[in-house]
Amino acid sequence: DIQLTQSPSTLSASVGDRITITCRANQTINGWLAWYQQQPGKAPKLLIYQASTLESGVPSSFSGSGSGAEFTLTISSLQPDDFATYYCQQYHSYPSTFGQGTKLEIK
Amino acid sequence: EVQLVESGGALKQPGGSLRLSCAASGFTFSIYVMNWVRQAPGKGLEWVSAITGSGSTAYYAESVKGRFTISRDNSKNTLYLQMNSLRADDTAIYYCAREEVLDYWGQGTLVTVSS
Repeated sequence: DIQLTQSPSTLSASVGDRITITCRANQTINGWLAWYQQQPGKAPKLLIYQASTLESGVPSSFSGSGSGAEFTLTISSLQPDDFATYYCQQYHSYPSTFGQGTKLEIK
Repeated sequence: EVQLVESGGALKQPGGSLRLSCAASGFTFSIYVMNWVRQAPGKGLEWVSAITGSGSTAYYAESVKGRFTISRDNSKNTLYLQMNSLRADDTAIYYCAREEVLDYWGQGTLVTVSS
């Protein structure tokens, strides 16, 4: 199975900050990577797919990059609604797998 | 509007069985891969199972293989998860989600396995 490792596990930041979350796979996944945001008590929401394609309706402050086995999610200017937990997911092959999550907290 | 509505969650004893349902609307159900994803209390997301649009092929996480069975009824636009030999570590919110890239999610249904 493909393992995904996210870093950091927790990130403290302020409104207006630029942040980056990294997701590393233990083998190449050729860009078949998605990012999700989950607010407490809610279902996850798709943000980015194919490593860098922004889902419709997602603010342009979110961006994704990377290839091979290393990927990043960047939020260019944090807004209050962005404080949540973020997950990466690979859909290169089954079983699909998620990273362990990154909790973005207000500093 | 795409909608996914899970149901069937309950409190079950270890070793018991349960069937979850996910009613889909707002899209052509039969052409999409569908998934089950779960989240244990306070934990991260775990992909559980997927099934192709025709229902001919299913995939499972190792943790549920041999105990859970995914199926679908395209005439009823409904996805199922038959859960047997339930264990305490199956306790979680179970979400259904559309496509390999999980573009739409239901609100989830809670399964609690406890004696």
